[in-house]
Amino acid sequence: GAGVSQSPSNKVTEKGKDVELRCDPISGHTALYWYRQSLGQGLEFLIYFQGNSAPDKSGLPSDRFSAERTGGSVSTLTIQRTQQEDSAVYLCASRAGQNTEAFFGQGTRLTVV
Amino acid sequence: GDSVTQMEGPVTLSEEAFLTINCTYTATGYPSLFWYVQYPGEGLQLLLKATKADDKGSNKGFEATYRKETTSFHLEKGSVQVSDSAVYFCALRPYGGSQGNLIFGKGTKLSVKP
Repeated sequence: GAGVSQSPSNKVTEKGKDVELRCDPISGHTALYWYRQSLGQGLEFLIYFQGNSAPDKSGLPSDRFSAERTGGSVSTLTIQRTQQEDSAVYLCASRAGQNTEAFFGQGTRLTVV
Repeated sequence: GDSVTQMEGPVTLSEEAFLTINCTYTATGYPSLFWYVQYPGEGLQLLLKATKADDKGSNKGFEATYRKETTSFHLEKGSVQVSDSAVYFCALRPYGGSQGNLIFGKGTKLSVKP
C-alpha cells in the first residue's frame, strides 16, 4: 500500500478483555515500531522489529503486552486483560533502513471501559 | 539513557507571529534529530530532520539547526499560519547500535489564531 495502515481505527473494549491491533507496514520496509500515545504523555516506545533479528521489547509496559511480526510484514500488538490505563492511541511506524525516514500510521484509538 | 525535552504547551499565537519551540536532548555520540508534526485528525508526519552537528533542517517555512554545543534543536518559523495549528514533536534516533528506535519529546500543541 501507499502508507502504513492500522486497523481498527477505533476500538472500545471492556476491562479484562483481550484486544488485537494490526499494522500493515509499507511494503519492503524492514523496520517496524509500535508506540503508545497517551493524553499529555507524548509518545512512548513499545517494541521494535528489525528484519529477522530478535525484537527489542524493552518498552513493553507489562507482560500483558506482546507483539509479533509474521513473515517480516504485518504486525499484531496484543493486549491481554485490558485495563483502563491501557486507553491510548497506539501508533505503528515502519522504515526502509537504518538511516531512512519512519512513516507512521494514523493509529488505533483504544478505549477501555 | 537518551532523552528529549521540549517546551510544554499549549502555545497560542496570532497569524504571522514568529514561532520558536525549544527542544533539548541528552544522548551519547551523535544522534539524528527530527521534528514531527501531527495535524488534527491525522497521523504523525516528518517535518524536518538533521543528522549531524550544524546541519539545518527546513521544510514548509520551518527550520531547526542541530546545535551540538547546546544539545538543542529548536524549531522556528518566521510567520505562522492558521494551518500550522498542530502538535509538534521533537525526536532523536540514537547513534549507531541496533536499537534504532525514535525517542520523542512529549509534544507541544500550537494554536494559531486568525
